[in-house]
Amino acid sequence: AQSVTQLDSHVSVSEGTPVLLRCNYSSSYSPSLFWYVQHPNKGLQLLLKYTSAATLVKGINGFEAEFKKSETSFHLTKPSAHMSDAAEYFCVVSGGGNKLTFGTGTQLKVEL
Amino acid sequence: DTEVTQTPKHLVMGMTNKKSLKCEQHMGHRAMYWYKQKAKKPPELMFVYSYEKLSINESVPSRFSPECPNSSLLNLHLHALQPEDSALYLCASSQPFPGLAGYNEQFFGPGTRLTVL
Repeated sequence: AQSVTQLDSHVSVSEGTPVLLRCNYSSSYSPSLFWYVQHPNKGLQLLLKYTSAATLVKGINGFEAEFKKSETSFHLTKPSAHMSDAAEYFCVVSGGGNKLTFGTGTQLKVEL
Repeated sequence: DTEVTQTPKHLVMGMTNKKSLKCEQHMGHRAMYWYKQKAKKPPELMFVYSYEKLSINESVPSRFSPECPNSSLLNLHLHALQPEDSALYLCASSQPFPGLAGYNEQFFGPGTRLTVL
């Protein structure tokens, strides 16, 4: 069995400041973990993925995430937020089979 | 080509209508998925096709009928829908798990916004 908990449903930052979106996971298997982003009325775009290689994963648009097995966490960070980063972010775990388990999502708001 | 396309972008239908949603990918993926997404919620898995055969049906009502005519195409036939079926319907594709990479990275289309009147 696997599950994902996104610890914040809403995060608000100022443009140019760091972004931290928190995710904890639970999995019976050695998991694969993903962060997807969804802009309003759009599909989901893969930001980055962890697949048991390097624990620090770099993604698109300056995002990165660190897999910490001891803390069962996979938090998403970005050093400097941009207005275009405002979107819904989903942390996702794949522990086996063709199914993905989605977190409930974090709405990121970026203010001027 | 790393794109999943979906048509139409928007669809409005009455409860007695029959309509179809279409999805296409040319990445050579042999697993394709239908998801339903309500506002402010994560996507919910509906169906999974693996090698053109239905492998997962998440207890979806029979008014939704999936079809996979070939490895690139996925359809969702709709009949006698209810207003609560109004949602964004997302298609995705991937290599079947575990695949060569050993993990299931899914590529999503832009979705069809369905409104049932």
